Amino acid sequence: EPEVTQTPSHQVTQMGQEVILRCVPISNHLYFYWYRQILGQKVEFLVSFYNNEISEKSEIFDDQFSVERPDGSNFTLKIRSTKLEDSAMYFCASSEGVVTGELFFGEGSRLTVL
Amino acid sequence: EDQVTQSPEALRLQEGESSSLNCSYTVSGLRGLFWYRQDPGKGPEFLFTLYSAGEEKEKERLKATLTKKESFLHITAPKPEDSATYLCAVQARYRDDKIIFGKGTRLHILP
Repeated sequence: EPEVTQTPSHQVTQMGQEVILRCVPISNHLYFYWYRQILGQKVEFLVSFYNNEISEKSEIFDDQFSVERPDGSNFTLKIRSTKLEDSAMYFCASSEGVVTGELFFGEGSRLTVL
Repeated sequence: EDQVTQSPEALRLQEGESSSLNCSYTVSGLRGLFWYRQDPGKGPEFLFTLYSAGEEKEKERLKATLTKKESFLHITAPKPEDSATYLCAVQARYRDDKIIFGKGTRLHILP
């Protein structure tokens, strides 16, 4: 069964460092998303990406964050100058379209900022 | 602002003891309401989509219903393997690239 894969599964970084989280969405999907979940809190929308551009972003997704689909298969989230409060599980998701609301999520990348 | 509120935060049931989880929502023009299941340390897994008031969907021991202000996830005769966090999410008609989630209900089924 097709699945969304994310790497790394866990990354530890020092405050102020840059981090890139990688995702390989399901191959025929057209919409891509990043969500984050701080421990014990809700799954928060960060950004959606369609047709090689950001289609929607939340207030959390400020200039510190950027997304890219560099090669037609990978979808990356870059966090510049990480802060302690960026520590969270980051989930990538993809979908065929927007009508059904059926997002396929990866297993997540746990980011720990020290 | 679009909002999703779920209750209770946590629920412990005996195996076989049926119950319901609630999701109240405020959204400017609902396109869809969704239920997901999340196991510890994993990403959410899609369960149902509901589009309009009065609609119902069923899957095994789960049944989701929708009114104009809330949705219920009914769990009939649950088993320990139904233990998970159940997430409700909404999508607005004019912002259909964004799905927002509630905090979830942590369900624990005791054998």
